[in-house]
Amino acid sequence: TQLLEQSPQFLSIQEGENLTVYCNSSSVFSSLQWYRQEPGEGPVLLVTVVTGGEVKKLKRLTFQFGDARKDSSLHITAAQPGDTGLYLCAGVRDSNYQLIWGAGTKLIIKP
Amino acid sequence: DTAVSQTPKYLVTQMGNDKSIKCEQNLGHDTMYWYKQDSKKFLKIMFSYNNKELIINETVPNRFSPKSPDKAHLNLHINSLELGDSAVYFCASSQVLRGAGGTDTQYFGPGTRLTVL
Repeated sequence: TQLLEQSPQFLSIQEGENLTVYCNSSSVFSSLQWYRQEPGEGPVLLVTVVTGGEVKKLKRLTFQFGDARKDSSLHITAAQPGDTGLYLCAGVRDSNYQLIWGAGTKLIIKP
Repeated sequence: DTAVSQTPKYLVTQMGNDKSIKCEQNLGHDTMYWYKQDSKKFLKIMFSYNNKELIINETVPNRFSPKSPDKAHLNLHINSLELGDSAVYFCASSQVLRGAGGTDTQYFGPGTRLTVL
């Protein structure tokens, strides 16, 4: 059973379009992280959200943590080919601080 | 300047062989991990070591044996390789920040692509 569900699993859109990726769980997390992985490389942290309802912006990327700290979303405005990659969310549990990983969303931005 | 390094980058071997993957981090972190990423890109934790002690050991065949000679190194030895072991193996390290709003930012190596023929 996947504790963190990411959707969609795959998304291919044209440059300039907007998109939202979701990360959902029935569990409460101490914090939630988003990573991006490019082909041939390891995942790299984009952002950590800690407070319920928190919104963080990273240029054209907007991250939101749900009020109940069970879910998160990543919104990309005016997507560019450089945004192409695998986006992974990972939740930190209060109990043991172990990261729980989602299965990822593979994003392709076509020029 | 590489924070987390792994060797080799690629490993192609025959079924039944024994192989090792090495990992080193120069970030001064206390915790290191081994992950397996399959063809569907799902990242699955295998082992976690904190200060050279094993703290996470997921359901992994005992053909896989991690070894941590010191805090900066975590190696993975695999015996009797099988076709299903083909995957990308990532090493990572972190410094867990405990307490309210605790985080565990992990820094990943570049991965080792293992192909078992």
